[in-house]
Amino acid sequence: SVLTQAPSQSGTPGQRVTIFCFGSTSNIGTETVNWFQQFPGTAPKLLIYSDNQRPSGVPDRFSGSKSGTTASLAISGLQSEDEADYFCAAWDDSLKGHVFGSGTKVTVL
Amino acid sequence: QITLKESGPMLVKPTQTLTLTCTFSGFSLSTDGVGVAWLRQSPGKAPEWLAIFYWDDDRRYSPYLKSRLTITKDTSKKQVVLTMTNMNPVDTATYYCAHSTRRFRCSGGRCYYFDSWGQGTLVTVSS
Repeated sequence: SVLTQAPSQSGTPGQRVTIFCFGSTSNIGTETVNWFQQFPGTAPKLLIYSDNQRPSGVPDRFSGSKSGTTASLAISGLQSEDEADYFCAAWDDSLKGHVFGSGTKVTVL
Repeated sequence: QITLKESGPMLVKPTQTLTLTCTFSGFSLSTDGVGVAWLRQSPGKAPEWLAIFYWDDDRRYSPYLKSRLTITKDTSKKQVVLTMTNMNPVDTATYYCAHSTRRFRCSGGRCYYFDSWGQGTLVTVSS
């Protein structure tokens, strides 16, 4: 994947977990980042768009931010139902296409 | 309410051409700032963007697969069709279509994000 994510992350209920997405100047460094949540056997769901905007219905304990060529998704007050795969995505201006991160599996201990 | 549903063959043979149809409702593909995209996801892998058809009839393709892809629309049927030629076992994946929205005060293909996905359809390539 053009965007790099740690394969897994875990936390206990109530904890704050931060997932990072590492890119380059041709994608995250100059373009906005979107985040998706995916449960097994289901389609990805948009969680964050334009770096830090939440679609209607997404709980405010999910937040996005970006610094340089690194984007992050924070889950505050981790809940058992947050156990899922999380993917970042952005436009890559060198490739002229949408690229995705490798995904991070969040486990709630 | 926006809904999208993919349809097509579950099994194709190597070298064959795959044709997938996305039937949507709840929006118009003629509305400024709207697109319908195709993406796929192999088991255990990240999603991969394939192509997008925009409201103004412009279209873009993944640079990796451009030579094999064609995306078209049928306005009357509210459908977007993707064809992929010369299928190979590595193309085995779940294929999704997704509604795309352009960001506020932005222009160009870079501005779109995928905000509503279909349920996906699993396509297996095998002889």
